[in-house]
Amino acid sequence: DIQMTQSPSTLSASVGDRVTITCRASQSISSWLAWYQQKPGKAPKLLIYKASSLESGVPSRFSGSGSGTEFTLTISSLQPDDFATYYCQQPGGTFGQGTKVEIK
Amino acid sequence: EVQLVESGGGLVQPGGSLRLSCAASGFTFSSYWMSWVRQAPGKGLEWVANIKQDGSEKYYVDSVKGRFTISRDNAKNSLYLQMNSLRAEDTAVYYCARDRVGGLEGADYWGQGTLVTVSS
Repeated sequence: DIQMTQSPSTLSASVGDRVTITCRASQSISSWLAWYQQKPGKAPKLLIYKASSLESGVPSRFSGSGSGTEFTLTISSLQPDDFATYYCQQPGGTFGQGTKVEIK
Repeated sequence: EVQLVESGGGLVQPGGSLRLSCAASGFTFSSYWMSWVRQAPGKGLEWVANIKQDGSEKYYVDSVKGRFTISRDNAKNSLYLQMNSLRAEDTAVYYCARDRVGGLEGADYWGQGTLVTVSS
């Protein structure tokens, strides 16, 4: 089975900061990677699919890149609504362990 | 408007069974892969199973193989998860999710989740 490893596990940042989260796959998954945002008590929300495609309605400050085994999610200017936990996933398979973005 | 509504969760003893349902509306259910994803209390997301549009392909995480069965009824726009031989570690909120076209691009719509608690 393919394992997905995210880093960091927790990230402290301020409004306006540029934030980058990394996800590594244990073997190549081409560009088959999705990123989600989850807030407490809520279902996850799809942000990025196919590694770099922005889901409809998601603000353009979110972007994804990478292929093969290494991927990144970038928030260009962190907004108050962005404090949440972020997960990567090989669709139809494993999620990363999550990255909690906290207020610094 | 796309809606996914789970039901069937509750308290069950170890070794028991439970059947979760997910009622879909607002889209052509028979055109999409569907998934179940769970989240144990205070933990991360875990993909559980998914099923192809016509039910001909089904995939499971290793920890539930042989115990859980995913199925669907396209005539009723419904997704199911039959859970047998339940264990304490199956305690979680179970989400029903619609996979984007092709089944390999992530889940674009999610239900609100239903809580399954396995405890004596």
